Amino acid sequence: EPEVTQTPSHQVTQMGQEVILRCVPISNHLYFYWYRQILGQKVEFLVSFYNNEISEKSEIFDDQFSVERPDGSNFTLKIRSTKLEDSAMYFCASSPRGDGDNSPLHFGNGTRLTVT
Amino acid sequence: SQKIEQNSEALNIQEGKTATLTCNYTNYSPAYLQWYRQDPGRGPVFLLLIRENEKEKRKERLKVTFDTTLKQSLFHITASQPADSATYLCAPRSGGSYIPTFGRGTSLIVHP
Repeated sequence: EPEVTQTPSHQVTQMGQEVILRCVPISNHLYFYWYRQILGQKVEFLVSFYNNEISEKSEIFDDQFSVERPDGSNFTLKIRSTKLEDSAMYFCASSPRGDGDNSPLHFGNGTRLTVT
Repeated sequence: SQKIEQNSEALNIQEGKTATLTCNYTNYSPAYLQWYRQDPGRGPVFLLLIRENEKEKRKERLKVTFDTTLKQSLFHITASQPADSATYLCAPRSGGSYIPTFGRGTSLIVHP
């Protein structure tokens, strides 16, 4: 069964550094998402992306964050200047359509980001 | 503000029993509600979706109900097995958006 893959599985970075988290969504899916989960807390929506642009974003997704689909397969999340509170598990997800009525999200297994 | 409430305490049950998990929501009227399973260190995995006009949905040993009057969904696992041990997340579709918003989840532990 096709799956969403994320790399790296664990990223350690120093405060103030830029990080790029990478995802390969399922190939025929059109909608892409980033969520994050701080340890022990709920899965929180960051951003959704369709047709090469952001379709929705949350309050968490401020100017420090950006997303890109640089080619036909990768979907990336960039954090420009990491803060300690950015430490979390970041999940990429994709769905064939944006109509959630029939399009549950397919999640990757996440990148654990640790900011020191 | 919109809230999704799931039991924060873990649910411990014996193998073979039925597990029932609760999801309550306030201040919005979701058109549908999804349930996901999350294992430690892994991404959520979709299990079931129920629409606002459906009272009940079943898939193998899983059953979901949706009461829009009570603003509640119940998730049942019958004949539970230790392999069902995981955290179960409720995700109503947030008002005016296609984006699922997740509750904190309830941890289920099935003892052999």
